Amino acid sequence: SAVISQKPSRDICQRGTSLTIQCQVDSQVTMMFWYRQQPGQSLTLIATANQGSEATYESGFVIDKFPISRPNLTFSTLTVSNLSPEDSSIYLCSVGQQVGYTFGSGTRLTVV
Amino acid sequence: AQSVTQLDSQVPVFEEAPVELRCNYSSSVSVYLFWYVQYPNQGLQLLLKYLSGSTLVKGINGFEAEFNKSQTSFHLRKPSVHISDTAEYFCAVSTRNTPLVFGKGTRLSVIA
Repeated sequence: SAVISQKPSRDICQRGTSLTIQCQVDSQVTMMFWYRQQPGQSLTLIATANQGSEATYESGFVIDKFPISRPNLTFSTLTVSNLSPEDSSIYLCSVGQQVGYTFGSGTRLTVV
Repeated sequence: AQSVTQLDSQVPVFEEAPVELRCNYSSSVSVYLFWYVQYPNQGLQLLLKYLSGSTLVKGINGFEAEFNKSQTSFHLRKPSVHISDTAEYFCAVSTRNTPLVFGKGTRLSVIA
């Protein structure tokens, strides 16, 4: 199965700023997804990152707040913009393959 | 769209006792089913998955789950738990080429 390198692993950001999270996959994958895990909660799908076209966002998530890039089949970024304390969460990328799904190690974001 | 219900938010159990964590899903098409474990302050780890074939699936750390299509369930079981099994357990469902949808999680607490 694919191996994902997710960066940064954690960050502390000031409110009003932005954080960009990167995921690099060691093989070409069609399906790539971004999730949020708020403290003490389950994982919620933010969007599906589509190569060469705009991401597909889930209800409650908008492109202005969570812009996503997917320039090729091995790389994607998620930006969390105009940060507020409510954005403090773990953000994870995931890829889907025939054998199942692989997750990055996550980015723990704290907004102060 | 698919959905997952984990019926118990918390399950306390004594060490060496058996445990069952319940998961029910909803889908109008064939599904793939997964159980993940998340230890405190750590990432997601795949316990087991059902893609097709035998309905009894064996995973890591002595866990197993049985896919029951008529009852739309995928309950996780372990015959004898250890203190080290204390963690959050997530059931998840997907269909072909779709992202995983997670349940809200069950916190398993093993008591010495």
